[in-house]
Amino acid sequence: DTGVSQDPRHKITKRGQNVTFRCDPISEHNRLYWYRQTLGQGPEFLTYFQNEAQLEKSRLLSDRFSAERPKGSFSTLEIQRTEQGDSAMYLCASVGRNNEQFFGPGTRLTVL
Amino acid sequence: GNSVTQMEGPVTLSEEAFLTINCTYTATGYPSLFWYVQYPGEGLQLLLKATKADDKGSNKGFEATYRKETTSFHLEKGSVQVSDSAVYFCALSSSGGYNKLIFGAGTRLAVHP
Repeated sequence: DTGVSQDPRHKITKRGQNVTFRCDPISEHNRLYWYRQTLGQGPEFLTYFQNEAQLEKSRLLSDRFSAERPKGSFSTLEIQRTEQGDSAMYLCASVGRNNEQFFGPGTRLTVL
Repeated sequence: GNSVTQMEGPVTLSEEAFLTINCTYTATGYPSLFWYVQYPGEGLQLLLKATKADDKGSNKGFEATYRKETTSFHLEKGSVQVSDSAVYFCALSSSGGYNKLIFGAGTRLAVHP
């Protein structure tokens, strides 16, 4: 069990650029969540995958956001035309049979 | 909709003091309740959980009891240590909705020697 990993850990970008984040879950976990955490707040749910199927999306996930999980393994979260309001920590969590969510270290996005 | 409210921080205590962090929730059905902890520079870690009314979750000297009648899940520890300094998040997972977590805003705890 090597834990959930996320890449990159930090990303600084200019407004209007596209960014993509990657999450590698714990290998035997088939369920995966993305959350967003802004400063001083708790994480907020963005989207959920079971294997490769995206089963739920929050209304926070505007049409500039897209997430994929090809082959039910790693997942990517892409933000197009970034805005300053997108600056946040993006967290990934994977879930095993006991329903415990294991969180990765997060990707901190700063949009200038 | 479902929501979690927890006491605002920061909470500042001396070592060996008693800790309470209040958490109340609003939910339909029978949610599971959690406390997560985020140490400086680290990711969120599950501290304890309770899945039904009157269950008590415990770990590392921390405890919380699922109180359905008061819709509360307060976190307590009898004697805090400097190493407990962190941000604590109360969360719920609804019985429907693919078990996504709904978090409170977090409470920062600072313990001084």
